[in-house]
Order: sequence, then C-alpha cells, then structure tokens
Amino acid sequence: QQPVQSPQAVILREGEDAVINCSSSKALYSVHWYRQKHGEAPVFLMILLKGGEQKGHEKISASFNEKKQQSSLYLTASQLSYSGTYFCGTDLIPNNNNDMRFGAGTRLTVKP
Amino acid sequence: EPEVTQTPSHQVTQMGQEVILRCVPISNHLYFYWYRQILGQKVEFLVSFYNNEISEKSEIFDDQFSVERPDGSNFTLKIRSTKLEDSAMYFCASSEGGTRMNTEAFFGQGTRLTVV
Repeated sequence: QQPVQSPQAVILREGEDAVINCSSSKALYSVHWYRQKHGEAPVFLMILLKGGEQKGHEKISASFNEKKQQSSLYLTASQLSYSGTYFCGTDLIPNNNNDMRFGAGTRLTVKP
Repeated sequence: EPEVTQTPSHQVTQMGQEVILRCVPISNHLYFYWYRQILGQKVEFLVSFYNNEISEKSEIFDDQFSVERPDGSNFTLKIRSTKLEDSAMYFCASSEGGTRMNTEAFFGQGTRLTVV
C-alpha cells in the first residue's frame, strides 16, 4: 500500500532543477510531501487533495494528476538548503483514514 | 512556535524489557501518530490515534505495541518486550485535522531507541 518514489537519489548542482515522482497503483485521497534532513524530523512541504491540483511555494511546487494516482514534486533553481530526503506520504482511497504511508524517499544532494 | 516534544531523545534498553516513549503533541491538535524509521530507511507508519482511540494501525503495530493518552496532554507508545529489530528512531506527530484534510502533521525530533 505504500507509494513508489523515483528516483531513489539525485545529485544536482546549485541552480539546477529536479523532479521527484510518487505513484500508486490505486487512487489516492491525498498526497503529502515532506523533507527530512539528516538526523532531523520530517518537515512538511505541502498537501494535495484534488485531482489536477498544482501547488507551490517559491521554487518548490507539486502536482497531483487527474486520476489521483501520481504526484510530482518540482524543485527549480535548487539551493544548497534543498538537500535532504524527500518523502511522499499517501492516504489511500477508499476506507483507510489517518493512515499515511510514506514512500522509500528520494535523497537529493545539491552541490555548489 | 508550538512544537511536538518527545522524551527521551535516546533510550537504550535490554532485549525483552518494556519501554515507554513519550510525546507531548501540540495542544490544539486532535490527531496523533507514531512512526518509526530504522537507520537509513524510510519512515514507517505505526499507528494513528483520534478521539481517544486507535484510528488506524499498520502491520508493524502488533500486540507488543500499545498507545495511550493517559492525561490529556501526553501521548505514549509502549513496547512490551523489546526485540533487537525494534531499534529505530521513533517519531511522534500531531495534526489539527486528519490525513484527508488540508492540515500538516508536525513531527517531534524523535526518540532513538537502541535495543541491546
């Protein structure tokens, strides 16, 4: 029931862009994106609830496709502070509630 | 800024012993969660708690685990008889709304449990 994330790892130079994907074989009620820096707790980035939704804050944005089975996180003009592991958390339709499963994570490294 | 507080930050215990991990969620939050993360691996859902009862639990959350909100502020995770494979970082999280609402979950800094 957990989502599948890809890629597993990305290495970027500062200023480059990255896309992280999160997909499920079944329709999702919601997708939550978190970033975790080494040795720290996950920190919330955003939630997507509606099919076709796109959300963003500054240079980090995300989309949720119409079928609600796939979400992508877009990091543009990456900064050193973007380094960390990105997890998507998903709540599966139809019945499970408050059961958010995380993907395996995508380790993003931004180099100067 | 309000935060989720977890104690202790690190606990070492002998195999077979009981441990209680403590969490103080953000005061106006209604939904509480426990997750664990084995070193270098993904964050795994254990259990969610709402309205003084378990809302959902995962396959990991077997009879050795229990949760409680004993006094209206603390939220505890008990492992009755620890095994070596229980060694992990345990995160508590809380949120105003459930996972189907447009509210974020705030994570505590975690308790590192080491079973020897």
